Amino acid sequence: GESVGLHLPTLSVQEGDNSIINCAYSNSASDYFIWYKQESGKGPQFIIDIRSNMDKRQGQRVTVLLNKTVKHLSLQIAATQPGDSAVYFCAENTFLNNDMRFGAGTRLTVKP
Amino acid sequence: DADVTQTPRNRITKTGKRIMLECSQTKGHDRMYWYRQDPGLGLRLIYYSFDVKDINKGEISDGYSVSRQAQAKFSLSLESAIPNQTALYFCATSAPTHKSDTQYFGPGTRLTVL
Repeated sequence: GESVGLHLPTLSVQEGDNSIINCAYSNSASDYFIWYKQESGKGPQFIIDIRSNMDKRQGQRVTVLLNKTVKHLSLQIAATQPGDSAVYFCAENTFLNNDMRFGAGTRLTVKP
Repeated sequence: DADVTQTPRNRITKTGKRIMLECSQTKGHDRMYWYRQDPGLGLRLIYYSFDVKDINKGEISDGYSVSRQAQAKFSLSLESAIPNQTALYFCATSAPTHKSDTQYFGPGTRLTVL
């Protein structure tokens, strides 16, 4: 069946380095993608979203890239900080429908 | 997110007990959702509601029921709790626009069924 997945379950980076978290999706009908950050003991927190009519979107220190050809989504975090340590997961949806599907998550650890 | 609150934050109960988890929001959103999260798995949708008179089953509704008491309140009930319902439960809200359809989550309720 259709699924949302992540390439790597864990990622460890040095403070100050850039981080890249990847996500593969298989539902070609998905046209809306979201990245969430979940810190220990907290609910998921919205980071950034992107519609399928775009291939790149930038926020504050974060960039999401969408490659529809290979059904791949990535989250880039610039100058990673200890406070960025968390589980990050992507979600896909067909916009304004209620079929949001979430990936299992990648744990990002930032080493000082 | 303080705009979405869940009570209790932690609950331990026994098999067969009826449990209610409550969610309140001050975001003024019409849409509300209940998810469960299990280790190594993504969030899975239990029930959702697009307004006070609307209730819909999600991916894993069996063993659960919900009540939308008001725009701001959406409660989840486990009629007869069983151990495999041990999980982290999240409530979420949303108010889609033409640009965005993101969901805002509460802090979660950790439920343990013995």
